Amino acid sequence: SQELEQSPQSLIVQEGKNLTINCTSSKTLYGLYWYKQKYGEGLIFLMMLQKGGEEKSHEKITAKLDEKKQQSSLHITASQPSHAGIYLCGADPQTQGAQKLVFGQGTRLTINP
Amino acid sequence: ETGVTQTPRHLVMGMTNKKSLKCEQHLGHNAMYWYKQSAKKPLELMFVYSLEERVENNSVPSRFSPECPNSSHLFLHLHTLQPEDSALYLCASSQDRLGYGYTFGSGTRLTVV
Repeated sequence: SQELEQSPQSLIVQEGKNLTINCTSSKTLYGLYWYKQKYGEGLIFLMMLQKGGEEKSHEKITAKLDEKKQQSSLHITASQPSHAGIYLCGADPQTQGAQKLVFGQGTRLTINP
Repeated sequence: ETGVTQTPRHLVMGMTNKKSLKCEQHLGHNAMYWYKQSAKKPLELMFVYSLEERVENNSVPSRFSPECPNSSHLFLHLHTLQPEDSALYLCASSQDRLGYGYTFGSGTRLTVV
């Protein structure tokens, strides 16, 4: 079965600084999703990457997919308090039938003012 | 509001109680999911329903019983739970095709006493 490992597990940065979160898969990535979760709440979709080398941006968040390395990175530029939360990557194992996303354990991001 | 509504948001129940969690979506999705989120663990897929048919049951104990009466509603019936079942239970929905991703509800925080 596919496993996703995120690093770091937690991250504390000063407001205004840049940061990167990584997600590494044990198997080939066919689709990679990034979600954000506020404590005790549901997951909010950020972006999806499907092709190797693909890069997507939304406001100050950029995600890239390195298919060869079976890895994705999430980069936040000039971090703000609103970026605080838990970031999770999810992968589609490319099975037939219904989607069954597997998720990493999450990266807890704290932004210090 | 994401389009997937879970009730109740919080639930405290004794080990001999019977309760149900409810999930509702009106996004026109045809697949629905239950996930369990425990502290310091990745999201665990419990059940998958595609076109109202259960297509996944990830070795979940029988004290958890799902029900999907139609494509818009999903229930998780709980009985004789254990304290280790305390967790955040998340419902999600999706179009049942690869690359679509999920829309999550806000979750039900369950505490078993």
